[in-house]
Amino acid sequence: EVQLLESGGGLVQPGGSLRLSCAASGFTFSSYAMSWVRQAPGKGLEWVSEISGSGGSTYYTDSVKGRFTVSRDNSKNTLYLEMNSLRAEDTAVYYCAKGAVVYALFDHWGQGTLTTVSS
Amino acid sequence: EIVMTQSPATLSVSPGERATLSCRASQSVSINLAWYQQKPGQAPRLLIYGASTRATGIPARFSGSGSGTEFTLTISSLQSEDFAIYYCQQYHDWPPLTFGGGTKVEIK
Repeated sequence: EVQLLESGGGLVQPGGSLRLSCAASGFTFSSYAMSWVRQAPGKGLEWVSEISGSGGSTYYTDSVKGRFTVSRDNSKNTLYLEMNSLRAEDTAVYYCAKGAVVYALFDHWGQGTLTTVSS
Repeated sequence: EIVMTQSPATLSVSPGERATLSCRASQSVSINLAWYQQKPGQAPRLLIYGASTRATGIPARFSGSGSGTEFTLTISSLQSEDFAIYYCQQYHDWPPLTFGGGTKVEIK
């Protein structure tokens, strides 16, 4: 059974930093792209970033480029999102999502971790 | 960036009735379109990909259709567990991957 467990969210001041983690199990982690998708309170879904199975390719939505960094440790089956220069508009539940075999869509999701950016 | 627009924002349906949800893309996405279901306090769940292929374990009452810029998700006979928010997502041209704003299916 595929399981994705996010951690690392919390309250941070504007301009601060946070690192999210996603521990994966139940599949061959290194074979799949992984993404971060966020959802602001009461709002819809917004794709944030994707990393290829090897970690060699990364992609970001424009609003986080230069501030967020996605990475993975395939030896630990763990996905990361390093978030710097955080803004109030980054407040959201951040979901870790597993990519499907050959498509940029998400066939399994974690339960999410809430990040709140506020002074 | 491909903009995805869903309508209506809210759909009021009685249990047992059919629900028809729409998703429109600002440019052609071929059949590279997925649908997700999200219940309150839960993560989204993949329902449909390739515009019309049901994901593993998804009941047959869920069906998707369309290509290009116009897509439809149909729930043939709404069950109590189907009341939720539904999102479409294109994966034809990215980054960025983009979602529609969602349609909330509520009990009439």
